[in-house]
Amino acid sequence: AAGVIQSPRHLIKEKRETATLKCYPIPRHDTVYWYQQGPGQDPQFLISFYEKMQSDKGSIPDRFSAQQFSDYHSELNMSSLELGDSALYFCASSHSLSGGPGDTQYFGPGTRLTVL
Amino acid sequence: AQSVAQPEDQVNVAEGNPLTVKCTYSVSGNPYLFWYVQYPNRGLQFLLKYITGDNLVKGSYGFEAEFNKSQTSFHLKKPSALVSDSALYFCAVRYTPRDDKIIFGKGTRLHILP
Repeated sequence: AAGVIQSPRHLIKEKRETATLKCYPIPRHDTVYWYQQGPGQDPQFLISFYEKMQSDKGSIPDRFSAQQFSDYHSELNMSSLELGDSALYFCASSHSLSGGPGDTQYFGPGTRLTVL
Repeated sequence: AQSVAQPEDQVNVAEGNPLTVKCTYSVSGNPYLFWYVQYPNRGLQFLLKYITGDNLVKGSYGFEAEFNKSQTSFHLKKPSALVSDSALYFCAVRYTPRDDKIIFGKGTRLHILP
């Protein structure tokens, strides 16, 4: 079965540079979520989109922005990168039948961002 | 505050023995509970979820979990552990229809000993 695709899988950047992470949801999934997992940490919710509109926002820094496009793929843009941004960034997708909390989020393999 | 707790950082089980990974939750209203597994350098894989109905939920790879409202627990279980079950397990909760985010526990590292 098709899964969530994330690119790139690994990314190395210098401080103050910018990075763009891409996420391609499972076909027919309309909701995309972004999470950040620091070393040895649990995943932390950043932001989500439903039908191309931002639907929920978590602990996402102002330096980060994201959007969902007409084909439902999403991009997380990160500017003025800091050392502390080094983490595994997960994208997840779900099919929102009723918009309820029971919708299962299926996660991609993640993008490992290293900021030097 | 809404939260999920996994009281054990690590659990060691001999291969073939039953395993339990503990999870307790603290939410107001009805909880929507999930278990995910993370293998090294891999993404999070969905195992199972409890929404409503039967308190015993069966999931992938032979795992099951029991929702206990009086004890506010959602422990993950498997009757016979395999070495390949060794991984990091996350309990998670989503507690309001208005919020999209999943709140994860800190994770429990499961070691299955041959």
